[in-house]
Amino acid sequence: NAGVMQNPRHLVRRRGQEARLRCSPMKGHSHVYWYRQLPEEGLKFMVYLQKENIIDESGMPKERFSAEFPKEGPSILRIQQVVRGDSAAYFCASSPRGTGVAEAFFGQGTRLTVV
Amino acid sequence: AQSVTQPDIHITVSEGASLELRCNYSYGATPYLFWYVQSPGQGLQLLLKYFSGDTLVQGIKGFEAEFKRSQSSFNLRKPSVHWSDAAEYFCAVGAAMRFGAGTRLTVKP
Repeated sequence: NAGVMQNPRHLVRRRGQEARLRCSPMKGHSHVYWYRQLPEEGLKFMVYLQKENIIDESGMPKERFSAEFPKEGPSILRIQQVVRGDSAAYFCASSPRGTGVAEAFFGQGTRLTVV
Repeated sequence: AQSVTQPDIHITVSEGASLELRCNYSYGATPYLFWYVQSPGQGLQLLLKYFSGDTLVQGIKGFEAEFKRSQSSFNLRKPSVHWSDAAEYFCAVGAAMRFGAGTRLTVKP
């Protein structure tokens, strides 16, 4: 059973372009969490999804950012019109059920650089 | 609102010495609490978690943590630190896992 797979591992975008970050959860996991980690900082919660539903998006910026977790395929974090401040490492985690009853496993992250 | 404070940004201990990393939380009900470790350039690995029951929780790699409701704390401990423990440690609270800013651990030979 492969772990949580994030791709790409590194992504470079010019200001104004779109960034799409993918997270393939572990097999059987229907809960996905996205976090952003700025250099020398901790992880900031962004969004919590459960197959086709957004459970908690209180950490998502109001503009330019969106996330989805379709019935089939990976979860996607989409950043439109990227700016330099979006440069960060983006991590996703997955769990088979809520973290109250099941461990969440993290991917290796996608490092986004906006030039 | 759920939040976590890790008061120590950076801690240095000698190899073989004991370790305690502090974590204070703010949460409306009985919290879910987690400790994760992150090695440089890597993702996070769960060390231990608390949901209910025994307030002293045993984790992997010889770590333990104690939940103290009266102090809103969930401090991580290890009796004897190894050089390989050098990493960033994160405390998190809640079902969606709100993380603290982390504590960087340096281990001196």
